[in-house]
Amino acid sequence: DGGITQSPKYLFRKEGQNVTLSCEQNLNHDAMYWYRQDPGQGLRLIYYSHIVNDFQKGDIAEGYSVSREKKESFPLTVTSAQKNPTAFYLCASSIGYPPPKNYGYTFGSGTRLTVV
Amino acid sequence: RKEVEQDPGPFNVPEGATVAFNCTYSNSASQSFFWYRQDCRKEPKLLMSVYSSGNEDGRFTAQLNRASQYISLLIRDSKLSDSATYLCVVTIQGAQKLVFGQGTRLTINP
Repeated sequence: DGGITQSPKYLFRKEGQNVTLSCEQNLNHDAMYWYRQDPGQGLRLIYYSHIVNDFQKGDIAEGYSVSREKKESFPLTVTSAQKNPTAFYLCASSIGYPPPKNYGYTFGSGTRLTVV
Repeated sequence: RKEVEQDPGPFNVPEGATVAFNCTYSNSASQSFFWYRQDCRKEPKLLMSVYSSGNEDGRFTAQLNRASQYISLLIRDSKLSDSATYLCVVTIQGAQKLVFGQGTRLTINP
């Protein structure tokens, strides 16, 4: 079955460390996105990529970095410059932008990052 | 002003009741509209798209009012399994992204 796989499900980071969250999709989608969700809050866009080897900053890109070397993969690195990284991180993909009706985005199951 | 606003709730309604949520958006260039459902500690999942003429999927009805810039979701004969957070989502022309509301939390009580 096609889908989006995020790993790990839970991640603990020490102060000052960089960590990388994995996102892989086998849906043949062109567009991929990273969102952050804090408790009781909506989703905020970190980075997005509509095509391989190209990506754009979202609304809260500071302290994060991404790469899109392959269509299937869009890893997110949370750097030590991100001062409040504890959150639920969601990766999503879509066939294209804007996403077609009845499709929207497909989300991965998320990674919960905690700073210890 | 937030681009997409929802009443965060929580809404607590008895099983079998009808419940409605509204969502307002600020950008008149918004193109597409969706309702997503998110269960506790899970990822959002597409519930339904919202069409200009309104659309229905079983017990769920979505409406769009472009003049007033709001969309609505109506759930009839609510079930315990409808308990979740409902996210209003819009695409904005030229913005290359979906914008999410903060969500409305719904609890259906037996």
